[in-house]
Amino acid sequence: AQSVSQHNHHVILSEAASLELGCNYSYGGTVNLFWYVQYPGQHLQLLLKYFSGDPLVKGIKGFEAEFIKSKFSFNLRKPSVQWSDTAEYFCAVSNAGNNRKLIWGLGTSLAVNP
Amino acid sequence: DGGITQSPKYLFRKEGQNVTLSCEQNLNHDAMYWYRQDPGQGLRLIYYSQIVNDFQKGDIAEGYSVSREKKESFPLTVTSAQKNPTAFYLCASNSGLSNQPQHFGDGTRLSIL
Repeated sequence: AQSVSQHNHHVILSEAASLELGCNYSYGGTVNLFWYVQYPGQHLQLLLKYFSGDPLVKGIKGFEAEFIKSKFSFNLRKPSVQWSDTAEYFCAVSNAGNNRKLIWGLGTSLAVNP
Repeated sequence: DGGITQSPKYLFRKEGQNVTLSCEQNLNHDAMYWYRQDPGQGLRLIYYSQIVNDFQKGDIAEGYSVSREKKESFPLTVTSAQKNPTAFYLCASNSGLSNQPQHFGDGTRLSIL
């Protein structure tokens, strides 16, 4: 069965620190990859997505993610975090075939100290 | 503005009672989804619908029911058979293509009295 693994459940950083959140998936076929963010008190929103082309994708608010097919990974990065990046981050995967369901990771809670 | 509206924001259920959570979208999306979010467990799919008058069970459908009589509406009923209904429920929609992101509502928090 497909699964998505997020390596860090809780991350605490100081402002201006660099961020990398790990995401690995288990599926051998063609996939679509997503990172979503849930700010406190707000609804889930899309941060970035990959489905083809350049494996390095850029999203909103300075976030980027790199798809490494050989490692089944789609790690999220940001060079310098801000206090406003405090949120929960979810990695999700869908296969590019007929199954349109998203498989979700358990999420990573990020706290950025000012 | 187009979006997804979930109501109510907070809902309380008595033991043995069925409750229905509303989800409406004006994005003209074909597909709609219901998730349950519990602390530390991420999002788990309850039901999804790819087209009007059709829906499929997700990973945790037991104790829940849905209908899809209109494109814009996908209500979720939490039945008395759901033994642990206290959770945050999220509704989402997308065009139905696997590479299209899902758009989410603000959620409904259900608690047991």
